[in-house]
Amino acid sequence: KQEVTQIPAALSVPEGENLVLNCSFTDSAIYNLQWFRQDPGKGLTSLLLIQSSQREQTSGRLNASLDKSSGRSTLYIAASQPGDSATYLCAVIPSWGQGAQKLVFGQGTRLTINP
Amino acid sequence: EAGVAQSPRYKIIEKRQSVAFWCNPISGHATLYWYQQILGQGPKLLIQFQNNGVVDDSQLPKDRFSAERLKGVDSTLKIQPAKLEDSAVYLCASSLNRGETQYFGPGTRLLVL
Repeated sequence: KQEVTQIPAALSVPEGENLVLNCSFTDSAIYNLQWFRQDPGKGLTSLLLIQSSQREQTSGRLNASLDKSSGRSTLYIAASQPGDSATYLCAVIPSWGQGAQKLVFGQGTRLTINP
Repeated sequence: EAGVAQSPRYKIIEKRQSVAFWCNPISGHATLYWYQQILGQGPKLLIQFQNNGVVDDSQLPKDRFSAERLKGVDSTLKIQPAKLEDSAVYLCASSLNRGETQYFGPGTRLLVL
């Protein structure tokens, strides 16, 4: 059974710093991995999707990497801003043959950027 | 392009009562998902539809939860009767097809007293 873990549960950093959020998963047989952002009282917004054949994806100040062999992904945020404050969730879709392609989520990292 | 719509946004009920949530996915999206998100946890998939057929409902408590997606568009999720532990945010998401990027609605926050 696939399990996804995100550590730490909460992180607080000063504005302008670069930071890394971590995600680990127990089974390397994945179809893809996604990073989401969740603002209080709102749904999830997809930030980046990395296919199993890819090593990284970039969007603006965000860069996500994937290392299937070690079961790890990182989300790098450059030059953090107060507007980046949110909960960041990592999720994987297990490969075909392991049931429906459903997202398995980590518990999230609550990020606070202090002005 | 309109996003995923959900209603109501908030609901407070007493245990043993019934409640229903509604979801309208993005137009043209074949796959629809219902997730349950308990405070402090990541979302957990309850049920996944492909058009109007159920693909996966393995984590749906079928003794009290039911869901349908008539005509392969809108969907409703019902809880009858509700328990205290059902207090959570219920998120609906849709994607063009299975395995593709999922787009989430704002969720319905349920409090069972």
